[in-house]
Amino acid sequence: QQQVKQSPQSLIVQKGGIPIINCAYENTAFDYFPWYQQFPGKGPALLIAIRPDVSEKKEGRFTISFNKSAKQFSLHIMDSQPGDSATYFCAASSWEYGNKLVFGAGTILRVKS
Amino acid sequence: SAVISQKPSRDICQRGTSLTIQCQVDSQVTMMFWYRQQPGQSLTLIATANQGSEATYESGFVIDKFPISRPNLTFSTLTVSNLSPEDSSIYLCSIRDIPSYEQYFGPGTRLTVT
Repeated sequence: QQQVKQSPQSLIVQKGGIPIINCAYENTAFDYFPWYQQFPGKGPALLIAIRPDVSEKKEGRFTISFNKSAKQFSLHIMDSQPGDSATYFCAASSWEYGNKLVFGAGTILRVKS
Repeated sequence: SAVISQKPSRDICQRGTSLTIQCQVDSQVTMMFWYRQQPGQSLTLIATANQGSEATYESGFVIDKFPISRPNLTFSTLTVSNLSPEDSSIYLCSIRDIPSYEQYFGPGTRLTVT
């Protein structure tokens, strides 16, 4: 119930493509869904986050789509660039569990130039 | 957002010794956490560092192995004790902004145990 399942494990796209990373959860109490970007040797950086009262949120080239009924959310990266090559983690939290973040397994994205 | 720094950034330690990692934040924060990220893996919460009281540990993590101090609202330390090669990981300090739920991570400390 506390798990967040992330897919795919790795992804290769051409520059300008739109990689899509998906996450699914079971716990309907989750009420906060952030995405993090991590470069090698660095800590994860908060990219964008969404709450279940909206179905989509955009920040620059990054978009979260949220499907409450399906208990799924996804990250889309528009016009992807080689500099977007990194590991991406989805996460979820619930006030029921002290708002502790539960992380997905991560997706290694490579954008080819 | 607040700036989080960690010391050391990396270290190589011998089996059986201990390493203390420092986390410094440039502003007062209520919620501070310590995470472990094993090579090629996701992030696992070790404990919540509570100011003025004992840390709250997650299942699988114990105070004897991972003692934590939080003397004030800007600083915390994590000690990894009695090191074994299985402790080789990245250890990350994290803070949460309470009103927005946004959570930020420090740069991490890469520990290698030989």
